[in-house]
Amino acid sequence: DQQVKQNSPSLSVQEGRISILNCDYTNSMFDYFLWYKKYPAEGPTFLISISSIKDKNEDGRFTVFLNKSAKHLSLHIVPSQPGDSAVYFCAARQGGGADGLTFGKGTHLIIQP
Amino acid sequence: DTAVSQTPKYLVTQMGNDKSIKCEQNLGHDTMYWYKQDSKKFLKIMFSYNNKELIINETVPNRFSPKSPDKAHLNLHINSLELGDSAVYFCASSQTGANYGYTFGSGTRLTVV
Repeated sequence: DQQVKQNSPSLSVQEGRISILNCDYTNSMFDYFLWYKKYPAEGPTFLISISSIKDKNEDGRFTVFLNKSAKHLSLHIVPSQPGDSAVYFCAARQGGGADGLTFGKGTHLIIQP
Repeated sequence: DTAVSQTPKYLVTQMGNDKSIKCEQNLGHDTMYWYKQDSKKFLKIMFSYNNKELIINETVPNRFSPKSPDKAHLNLHINSLELGDSAVYFCASSQTGANYGYTFGSGTRLTVV
C-alpha cells in the first residue's frame, strides 16, 4: 500500500517556466515532508522540506506547499533551468525519532530549452 | 570529504554468493539507514541503526544483516544472494530530532547473475 504517491511519472517543462510537481499521501501521522532530487548514478540529494504545521516553505527558486486537509503537497520551481532536469522524490516522515522516510515513486522532470 | 560514502559502487556476483556493502558517514549523525531501490524505482527502507541498536527491520529476509561496528559505520551483509536481490542499495544518515534532510550515499548497484 503506497502511503506516498506521485502520480506523474514524468513532466516536461520549457526552460524559464514554472515546474509544478505533485505528491499525495494517505498517512495522517506524517509530520514532516521532504523533496529530494536525484541524478542518474547518484544518491538522492535533499532539496527542501516542510513541517506539517506549516503550509508553505520557500528557498530560492524552490517552494513547497502543503495542504493538510487534502493530504497533498507540491513543489514549485521557478524559473526552471536545464540543471533542474532530474528525478524528484517526495518523501514523508512519521515522528522525529529514528524512523526512516517513506518515498513516492518519483517524477522525472525534463526541462526543455 | 564525502559526507556518506559507500563501497563498492558496482557489484556483480553469482547467485548463492555472500557479499558485503560498506557505508561510512562523517557527519556525526546518530542514525544510519539502508534503503533499496528496486526495478520499479521505489526507494524502500530496509534497516536503521541508532546508537548501535536496530530500530527498524521492514520485513527484509534474514539473509540481509546490517552490522554497525560504530556510530559512523553501517555495513550490509547479504548471504546466499538471489536474482531478486539485484537492485541499487543506498546508505543514508540523519540526526534524531533534527528537521533537515537525511543525507544519502551515491548507491551500490548490485547485479546477481
